[in-house]
Amino acid sequence: AQSVTQPDIHITVSEGASLELRCNYSYGATPYLFWYVQSPGQGLQLLLKYFSGDTLVQGIKGFEAEFKRSQSSFNLRKPSVHWSDAAEYFCAVGMNFGNEKLTFGTGTRLTIIP
Amino acid sequence: GAVVSQHPSWVICKSGTSVKIECRSLDFQATTMFWYRQFPKQSLMLMATSNEGSKATYEQGVEKDKFLINHASLTLSTLTVTSAHPEDSSFYICSASPRGEQFFGPGTRLTVL
Repeated sequence: AQSVTQPDIHITVSEGASLELRCNYSYGATPYLFWYVQSPGQGLQLLLKYFSGDTLVQGIKGFEAEFKRSQSSFNLRKPSVHWSDAAEYFCAVGMNFGNEKLTFGTGTRLTIIP
Repeated sequence: GAVVSQHPSWVICKSGTSVKIECRSLDFQATTMFWYRQFPKQSLMLMATSNEGSKATYEQGVEKDKFLINHASLTLSTLTVTSAHPEDSSFYICSASPRGEQFFGPGTRLTVL
């Protein structure tokens, strides 16, 4: 069975600083990887996804993520965070295309300080 | 495009009553819909997968008789929490999948008194 680990429960960064949120997965085949963001009391918004091809994936709101098979990682990055980026971030892994069942990590709460 | 709505956005009910939550895909047809439950400051836990016109597939530990799921059309799935109790209070999120990606609804906050 697949699993997702987000080692950092809570991260605090200053506005304008760079950000990296870690995600490690366990899955026997080629994974389908996702990053979602959730604002308080809201549903999830897809930031980016990796299915195949270029391992550096660009997403919305200036986010990017890099798939590293050798490290079983899919870390999310942003060069300069904005106060509006404060939210909960979830990494998720899915199985083969067409079977969209997702397994979520435990999430990383991002706090932005002025 | 790819908008999923949920209704109601929040509901408060008395213990022992039943509550129905609707999940609609507004601009696409969803062959599969998923229901998740999220406790405060925790991740999403998949409750069940529903395919249009067939019975839902429940995850281990989820009571199918308590959480009734109906996926009557390609744009509508409902979750009914039967005989709700305070421990059922949670944030319920649905997602709809045309294929290859899930689009999430805004969630429903259920509080059982």
